[in-house]
Amino acid sequence: NAGVTQTPKFQVLKTGQSMTLQCAQDMNHNSMYWYRQDPGMGLRLIYYSASEGTTDKGEVPNGYNVSRLNKREFSLRLESAAPSQTSVYFCASSEQGNNEKLFFGSGTQLSVL
Amino acid sequence: ILNVEQSPQSLHVQEGDSTNFTCSFPSSNFYALHWYRWETAKSPEALFVMTLNGDEKKKGRISATLNTKEGYSYLYIKGSQPEDSATYLCAFSMKTSYDKVIFGPGTSLSVIP
Repeated sequence: NAGVTQTPKFQVLKTGQSMTLQCAQDMNHNSMYWYRQDPGMGLRLIYYSASEGTTDKGEVPNGYNVSRLNKREFSLRLESAAPSQTSVYFCASSEQGNNEKLFFGSGTQLSVL
Repeated sequence: ILNVEQSPQSLHVQEGDSTNFTCSFPSSNFYALHWYRWETAKSPEALFVMTLNGDEKKKGRISATLNTKEGYSYLYIKGSQPEDSATYLCAFSMKTSYDKVIFGPGTSLSVIP
């Protein structure tokens, strides 16, 4: 019973490099999310997806793109990484309209040098 | 812009003390209010999700109340224990976009043995 699985757990990038963070859930949830953790600001929503094939901007979408590949998977892409994107990234999923609770992955610690 | 606020920012209490925190959110167009517990180096875990004005939820020594008309929720911890030390996050969503879950900055609780 894996829940929400994120890869990689750690990543170091140079400014300008690109990478994709992967997220998969096995709970058959419709909604998926990407958050970043910033000191003193809790979790800030980057993008979310209410269902397969749909994505919407959150509070801080600039510099990111997402893909809801299917119901299970929701990836986050940094096209040209910047030091300001150094953060811990969390993926989450939920069944909105039913249980509502968000279930989180273990996080990806990203450093951009 | 959804503005979710939490107070206090941090709290230090002695073991055995009871404590409470506040979450304030926009009172119009309310859909759901969440509380999460976030231990250091772990992922946030859901405590409660409340959707109705006047809702009260309880889980062991932790309880929460909800006032949607005035836009606030209280989280109470009775007889704090060192293992309660964590950051407590609240999150909010609106009827018009109930998949969009926005977090507050959190309250950091330290329980001193």
